Parts: sequence; C-alpha cells; structure tokens
Amino acid sequence: SYVLTQPPSVSVAPGQTARITCGGNNIGSKSVHWYQQKPGQAPVVVVYDDSDRPSGIPERFSGSNSGNTATLTISRVEAGDEADYYCQVWDSSSDHPVFGEGTKLTVL
Amino acid sequence: QVQLVQSGSELKKPGASVKVSCRASGYTFTSYAMNWVRQAPGQGLEWMAWINTNTGNPTYAQGFTGRFVFSLDTSVSTAYLQISSLKAEDTAVYYCARLDYYDSSGYADYWGQGTLVTVSS
Repeated sequence: SYVLTQPPSVSVAPGQTARITCGGNNIGSKSVHWYQQKPGQAPVVVVYDDSDRPSGIPERFSGSNSGNTATLTISRVEAGDEADYYCQVWDSSSDHPVFGEGTKLTVL
Repeated sequence: QVQLVQSGSELKKPGASVKVSCRASGYTFTSYAMNWVRQAPGQGLEWMAWINTNTGNPTYAQGFTGRFVFSLDTSVSTAYLQISSLKAEDTAVYYCARLDYYDSSGYADYWGQGTLVTVSS
C-alpha cells in the first residue's frame, strides 16, 4: 500500500508562512488533496488536485506537488488556522484513498 | 446544499453490534460514491471503505472486512455502516464522506458530522 509521510508537528508565529509537507514515492505523479480538521469537528478539504481551492477557502491556502514531496502552504497564518492537516492521494494499485498521518499546526 | 447527516452517538458493550447511518441530501445520491473513515481517540484519519452507490459494491481497506458491513438504501439516500462483535478498540468517531471520484483518483468533498461509537463494559 502507498505510504504518505507527514511531520507530526509544525509551529509558526501569526502572520508568518507555514509549510506542511507530505512525502511519497513519486507523489508528483498523483493528485494530492489536503484536509483541515479542528478539534471536535469533521475534516474539511482546503486544497484538492494539488493546488485547487474549494469555494470559501481563503487564498492564503495553496498547494504544490513535485517529485517525492507535496506541500501545503498557509500564508499570513492566523490563530484560527491552528488544526490538524492531512494529505491524501489515491492508491491506484489498490483503488482506494490513502491518508497521511497528519500534522498538527500550532500558532505560537 | 450538500449535507450528510449521521446518526447519534452510541454506547455499546463488547460483543454487541452497532449500525451507523449517513443520510445524504442536496445532490443525486447515486452520482457520487461514499467513503467511510475512522478516527480513534487522539489518532489520525483511517480510511475504511468506499462504496459505489450505483452498484453497491464496496472496496475495503485491510482490517475492515468480516465484522464490518457497508450497505446502502438508495430509496432514502442513506449509507450504513454495521459493526458486529464490537471490541474496545472499535471505539472511535466514524465519518461518512462523499467521494468525488474521477480519472482513477478522488477525494472526500463533503463530510458527515461524525458518529462516536464507544465500546465499554
């Protein structure tokens, strides 16, 4: 099964830029999706297909994907961005989604 | 607007069964597949299965066969997850999520609110 690797935690000061990585073998050949989950809430997709944003998601959220690493970038971080973030791809060999282990974003 | 509304929290004893429902509205139920995702306390998201809502055919993750049954009632736009012979380690929040599946890829674009299943004697 395809494995996605995320750092357990990322910390950033308000107003700065947070970068959360998602590593996988040749992940650049796959579409990567990112979810935000705040405590006690269901996940919400913030970026899909590497870099597209659903309606209602601020432009501060962006994504990129190349080689063996995909990255979620959050610009001008706000206290309300503090959450767990998960990357996800489709494992074509087994025909199902795969999640990364998640990254806890702390706003200092 | 798209909504997925799940049934309420459940407290069950080990060995019992539980059935969680997920009622969809705001879209044509059979136009999108349905995911089920588990989240144990303090843990990450774990994909369980996705179900083709046209055929009812599920694709399971390893570890979610046997005691786990995924079904549909398309007449009421509802997906179900039934777990039998419950164990303490089944304690988790279970989410349904609509799957936007395309070109051998896909993601969960809408999620239910989650159903907490607690297994305790």
